[in-house]
Amino acid sequence: SQQGEEDPQALSIQEGENATMNCSYKTSINNLQWYRQNSGRGLVHLILIRSNEREKHSGRLRVTLDTSKKSSSLLITASRAADTASYFCATGPAPKLTFGTGTRLTIIP
Amino acid sequence: DSGVTQTPKHLITATGQRVTLRCSPRSGDLSVYWYQQSLDQGLQFLIQYYNGEERAKGNILERFSAQQFPDLHSELNLSSLELGDSALYFCASSRGQATYYEQYFGPGTRLTVT
Repeated sequence: SQQGEEDPQALSIQEGENATMNCSYKTSINNLQWYRQNSGRGLVHLILIRSNEREKHSGRLRVTLDTSKKSSSLLITASRAADTASYFCATGPAPKLTFGTGTRLTIIP
Repeated sequence: DSGVTQTPKHLITATGQRVTLRCSPRSGDLSVYWYQQSLDQGLQFLIQYYNGEERAKGNILERFSAQQFPDLHSELNLSSLELGDSALYFCASSRGQATYYEQYFGPGTRLTVT
């Protein structure tokens, strides 16, 4: 079963706009990770946020974590065509990762 | 390029057959993970090895087995294949075995069972 559920399932925005996607999970976590997958390819790690962190930035990415609500959000600012991909959140328990259902992001040029 | 290699890229086989998927982890990584990605089940963790030993099992069928060899490469064996086994199979590797280690994914093997 999926530990995380991303919302929305699909998102289309104009290039240059910001994209926000959310992840809800079921059990307590030590950390939460976000991955990107281009169509039919392997996943690429984007960012990891620990359970004692509330916000983390990496380039155009901003991740927030609310452990009381068991949710996380990923914000991509100033989107580019190359950001078109599926985005997954992933959590433990260690050592395995359980991935959510993913958000399919399409950037319209 | 993640540094993780998987062979073959594509595999087409018939029901009832047996196939072997191969994965070479990044240099220095001791953990290898296998995942299955299908349209209906999403991305599912199958099994993890760390330095040659099985460390975690997920939704892996009894018809599937895996191993990690002394040179740290890993193989996933799928037997008595069914149509529903058609999927993308990913291998990932990481330095350690905890979830705070970033996992590096290979390009995947697309298995089609006819």
